Amino acid sequence: DAMVIQNPRYQVTQFGKPVTLSCSQTLNHNVMYWYQQKSSQAPKLLFHYYDKDFNNEADTPDNFQSRRPNTSFCFLDIRSPGLGDAAMYLCATSFSPAITDTQYFGPGTRLTVL
Amino acid sequence: DQQVKQNSPSLSVQEGRISILNCDYTNSMFDYFLWYKKYPAEGPTFLISISSIKDKNEDGRFTVFLNKSAKHLSLHIVPSQPGDSAVYFCAASANAGNMLTFGGGTRLMVKP
Repeated sequence: DAMVIQNPRYQVTQFGKPVTLSCSQTLNHNVMYWYQQKSSQAPKLLFHYYDKDFNNEADTPDNFQSRRPNTSFCFLDIRSPGLGDAAMYLCATSFSPAITDTQYFGPGTRLTVL
Repeated sequence: DQQVKQNSPSLSVQEGRISILNCDYTNSMFDYFLWYKKYPAEGPTFLISISSIKDKNEDGRFTVFLNKSAKHLSLHIVPSQPGDSAVYFCAASANAGNMLTFGGGTRLMVKP
C-alpha cells in the first residue's frame, strides 16, 4: 500500500542535543509538509517542500530546519531542542499545493526532550 | 491567536444517534474547509470538505454545513457507529492553497 512512513515513532533526546526526524513516502507526491502538534493542541504547519522549493511558515523558529534530498524523503532537524519542543511531529504529503489535493498524513513521531 | 476553534474537546453519543461536531473560525479569508479523523497511533485521514461557495456537502453518513455569516461549520454523522469513535479535526485554508490551519480537535465517543 502506498503510504507515508515516519521513523522513529518515538524519539527521546536531551535538552540542546540535535535531533533528526524522518519521513518517507511511496505516493510519489510533489509536496511534503511538517506539522508540530503539542499536547491537546491543533497541528501547526512548520514548513513544506514543493518539489525542491522550501517554504517556511513565518512563525516557525529558526531552530527548526528541513531537508528533502529526493522526492521520497524529507527530514526535520531540530538544532537545539528545548523542553518546549516536546510534541508530536506529523509529516504529510499531497500531489500538489492545490487545496483540492488531499493531504495524507503519517502516524507521527512523538518527541520527548529531557 | 487561534483562527480555527473547536470549543468542545469531547462529545459522547449513543450508537445510532446523530453526532454534531462544531467548528468556528475568525479569518474571513478562509475559503475551503475540511474535516479530518484521527484514530490513536495513526495520522489524521481526510473525511470530507466544503468550499465557501457551498453551504452543504454530503458523503454517505457524513454531512458538513457551512454558515459563512456566522463563520461556523459543523459535521453531522448520522447514524453514529462505534467505529466513528476518534478525534475529529476541523481545518481551513485560504486562496485555494493547501496550507491548512487546524482546530484543536474534538474527541468523539460513540457508545454501543
